[in-house]
Amino acid sequence: GNSVTQMEGPVTLSEEAFLTINCTYTATGYPSLFWYVQYPGEGLQLLLKATKADDKGSNKGFEATYRKETTSFHLEKGSVQVSDSAVYFCALPHSGGSNYKLTFGKGTLLTVNP
Amino acid sequence: EAQVTQNPRYLITVTGKKLTVTCSQNMNHEYMSWYRQDPGLGLRQIYYSMNVEVTDKGDVPEGYKVSRKEKRNFPLILESPSPNQTSLYFCASTREFGHTEAFFGQGTRLTVV
Repeated sequence: GNSVTQMEGPVTLSEEAFLTINCTYTATGYPSLFWYVQYPGEGLQLLLKATKADDKGSNKGFEATYRKETTSFHLEKGSVQVSDSAVYFCALPHSGGSNYKLTFGKGTLLTVNP
Repeated sequence: EAQVTQNPRYLITVTGKKLTVTCSQNMNHEYMSWYRQDPGLGLRQIYYSMNVEVTDKGDVPEGYKVSRKEKRNFPLILESPSPNQTSLYFCASTREFGHTEAFFGQGTRLTVV
């Protein structure tokens, strides 16, 4: 079935530093790919998505490109802020047999210090 | 405002005392699901529903029940909670599974003593 391998961290950066969180996947076909973010005490919310190969998703200064050749969807931001401190999850949908679910990576805790 | 509402946010209960966690969405989504989040294990799906009266097991369904009598509601039922069900629970809904954004509730932190 589909699976996601995500850099687990934790990651600690200073404000304005460059961020990369690696995500690689295995999947049947070419599913949509997602990054979700979980701020402290809250539920997950969509950060960005890409629906086909070579698509770039972007939001709030974050970007990720759907790379079919390397089966990757790495999250990047050029200059992080303290308010970006959160847990980040890479995810892809799994639909097979009788199961329909989002498969998540283990999550990466990002802490940004002033 | 589009949202998924879970209640309660926090619950401490004793082993064996039946409880229900409610979930309601206001977006007319057909697909809904429940996940539990545990340290080191990430998010794991408990049950999901593709539409009214259509539910199926996820990866960790043991000890849980669900029902989908109306499109907007998808309660999670623990008939006889045990300490290993202490976890953070999330309900989610999406309009078109696999392609559109999943909306998550704020979570229910359950402690079973």
